[in-house]
Amino acid sequence: GAVVSQHPSWVICKSGTSVKIECRSLDFQATTMFWYRQFPKQSLMLMATSNEGSKATYEQGVEKDKFLINHASLTLSTLTVTSAHPEDSSFYICSARDPAGDMVSNEQFFGPGTRLTVL
Amino acid sequence: KQEVTQIPAALSVPEGENLVLNCSFTDSAIYNLQWFRQDPGKGLTSLLLIQSSQREQTSGRLNASLDKSSGRSTLYIAASQPGDSATYLCAVDITGGGNKLTFGTGTQLKVEL
Repeated sequence: GAVVSQHPSWVICKSGTSVKIECRSLDFQATTMFWYRQFPKQSLMLMATSNEGSKATYEQGVEKDKFLINHASLTLSTLTVTSAHPEDSSFYICSARDPAGDMVSNEQFFGPGTRLTVL
Repeated sequence: KQEVTQIPAALSVPEGENLVLNCSFTDSAIYNLQWFRQDPGKGLTSLLLIQSSQREQTSGRLNASLDKSSGRSTLYIAASQPGDSATYLCAVDITGGGNKLTFGTGTQLKVEL
């Protein structure tokens, strides 16, 4: 199956700083990637859809100026949490679909996640 | 708006028992449904994907069924093992929804020796 990686796997930062999280598709090109957030003991919530070469589409209630998404290449999408605060502490997971893969199943492949802790 | 619910929220069973996890969704216009496993502090492991035209999928001791009309899916785990302990999530891909997944609330499974 297709492989998606994330970096870093965990990060601790001070309140007010910005943190960048990378999501890479390792063995396929992804025109679309997705960013999810998961708070403790809760399920995954979609934050935004990242489109290569164009602006990301954000879900209702997600601040686009706070969560900057850049999808400059077919294998890399980045999520930058700007001016992070303790309430942004969460588990961030990305996913990608291989457009050259199974066109019928539409399966998404998930990264291992990034644990962000804001002090 | 699609809502996905999983019952039970938590389940504890002795090793060797067969068990069923339930997932229900409010909008039957789905493209596919996936079951995932998540270990504590880790990412997602895809278990099974059922397309809307399919009724079930099997992989090893796992069997997932889909009844679109009633908005339900079940994940059957045979002969459970302690290594099966994890949180199980179902997610639906809405038809025409741009491939966005809506996740269920999860079932936390513990298989005891």
